[in-house]
Amino acid sequence: QKEVEQNSGPLSVPEGAIASLNCTYSDRGSQSFFWYRQYSGKSPELIMSIYSNGDKEDGRFTAQLNKASQYVSLLIRDSQPSDSATYLCAAYTGGFKTIFGAGTRLFVKA
Amino acid sequence: KAGVTQTPRYLIKTRGQQVTLSCSPISGHRSVSWYQQTPGQGLQFLFEYFSETQRNKGNFPGRFSGRQFSNSRSEMNVSTLELGDSALYLCASSLGRGNSPLHFGNGTRLTVT
Repeated sequence: QKEVEQNSGPLSVPEGAIASLNCTYSDRGSQSFFWYRQYSGKSPELIMSIYSNGDKEDGRFTAQLNKASQYVSLLIRDSQPSDSATYLCAAYTGGFKTIFGAGTRLFVKA
Repeated sequence: KAGVTQTPRYLIKTRGQQVTLSCSPISGHRSVSWYQQTPGQGLQFLFEYFSETQRNKGNFPGRFSGRQFSNSRSEMNVSTLELGDSALYLCASSLGRGNSPLHFGNGTRLTVT
């Protein structure tokens, strides 16, 4: 069983719409959660960190965490073509190890 | 603040050879983690070092090894290269606490022929 699961997509949304990316994790002991964006041919870059249940907003991005359901999500409001990338969900599972999901490819159509 | 620096950016090796990749973390970061990224497997954890000590290791064969120096710079070595080792190798640094996010370098693209 994969420890962090994401829908591989692709997820296609029109420009200006809300993109919703989801992630589930299997280890209930996971403490910290991260969303990374990776453009084709580039390395992952950190978008958001979330550590406690609820919502965390940063500009057009909102991360949501529900530890009871072992569920993390990322909402991107007013999606732009420049948001087209692969989004990686990651969980710190303890033991100095961060586990990544396979990523969801997002396409924002102009 | 300078980011994570990985060298070289690209490498082409033949089967059976060995390779050493280098990573310089962000100043002040004492933790360095290494990942292998392939299209089929995504980001796979190799190992993590903190203050010259390996604190965790992923499920990779012993051909994959690493070390960290007193200045926090890290190297990873792959011996007896196989075709399946072709991948993007990413180094990430952090403060080393559990809630510390990883900051990635640009990666080393290794091609084994």
